[in-house]
Formats: sequence, C-alpha cells, structure tokens
Amino acid sequence: GQQVMQIPQYQHVQEGEDFTTYCNSSTTLSNIQWYKQRPGGHPVFLIQLVKSGEVKKQKRLTFQFGEAKKNSSLHITATQTTDVGTYFCAGDYTGNQFYFGTGTSLTVIP
Amino acid sequence: NAGVTQTPKFQVLKTGQSMTLQCAQDMNHEYMSWYRQDPGMGLRLIHYSVGAGITDQGEVPNGYNVSRSTTEDFPLRLLSAAPSQTSVYFCASSERSGPGYEQYFGPGTRLTVT
Repeated sequence: GQQVMQIPQYQHVQEGEDFTTYCNSSTTLSNIQWYKQRPGGHPVFLIQLVKSGEVKKQKRLTFQFGEAKKNSSLHITATQTTDVGTYFCAGDYTGNQFYFGTGTSLTVIP
Repeated sequence: NAGVTQTPKFQVLKTGQSMTLQCAQDMNHEYMSWYRQDPGMGLRLIHYSVGAGITDQGEVPNGYNVSRSTTEDFPLRLLSAAPSQTSVYFCASSERSGPGYEQYFGPGTRLTVT
C-alpha cells in the first residue's frame, strides 16, 4: 500500500538551533499537508503544498515540496521552546485518503 | 462554533465488548474521517466519509464500522473489542475532500482494551 516515510523520529536541539524533518514517498503525491501535535493534544494543521517545487514560509517555518512531488521538508529556523511537539506530514495520493508519516518529535532544550 | 467534538475522552473496555465512539462537527463539513494513533506509528486512517450516506474504508478498517446518516455526526463502532485496538482515536473533518482543505481534528478518545 501507500506509505509516507518520515525522518528523523526524534530530534533534540538547543534553543536557537535549526531543525528539519523530511518526508518521502515512493510514488507521486497529489499534495502534502503538515501538522503539529503538542504533547497530549491533537494534530493542528500548519500548511498544505500542492505544486511541484513549491516553497511556503510561515515566520520561522519553511515548507518545501520536491520537484517530483515525492518528498517534502519542514525547516524551523532558530527554534524556540514553543516549537516543542511532534510534526507530521500527511501525503494524499487520490484526494480522499491521507497517509501520515510517523512524525518527528522535537525537544527544545532551553 | 464548537468545531469537532468527541466523546468519551477516556474509555476502558474488556475484550469482546462493543462500544461506539461519538464524533460531531458543527462546521457543515462534507468530509469526515477516523484515525487511530499508536506510539511510533503516526496516524492511520480507519474509515472516511465524503458526505452523508457515503462511507469508505481507509488503511486499517478491520474491526470497525461507521455510518454517516447526517452531515454532523460520524460515529465509530467497535464490534468486539480486542487488546490490539488499544489506541488514541481521533476524528477529523474538512470542508471537502481533495487538495486545499485542511483537516480539523477533535480532542481524541483514549481507549484501553483489557
């Protein structure tokens, strides 16, 4: 079946360092969404990427969608303690079903 | 708007028992879905619905039933609970299916099957 791989599983950074998480699919995606889940909470939508090579920014967060629409990344510049949580990508192939990556748990050390 | 609501928040079942997890949304969203979240596994789609009266299977549908008689409600039924169904269950909705529509998640139901 379809699968979206996400790495790394865990990342510990000092506050102020950068952070990146990567998602990869073996087949072409229709679009990809990114979510953040705080400990004990529910996933919250961050952004969606649809076009090949698309790059979107939200303040310190930069999201990229690969040219082949098979991979995506989320980069956080100068992490803050408020960035703590698990970041998930969710890939869509057909328009009806999202396949979530396993998530990257980010710990920010003050 | 209350958004997406789920009840109960916590539930403990014995093996073989049945129960229904409730999900409701007040945003008039067409698309609703159920996910389960297990440690290290991310979220996996159980069932989804693109509108009232229409449901379909997701990635891990076995042991679960759904129905969608109204736009607002999308209950998930566990027919005969098994320890492998111990998980956190999230309901989500979006305005439509397809590109461009973010999913809104409910607060989740933590289920333990003993």
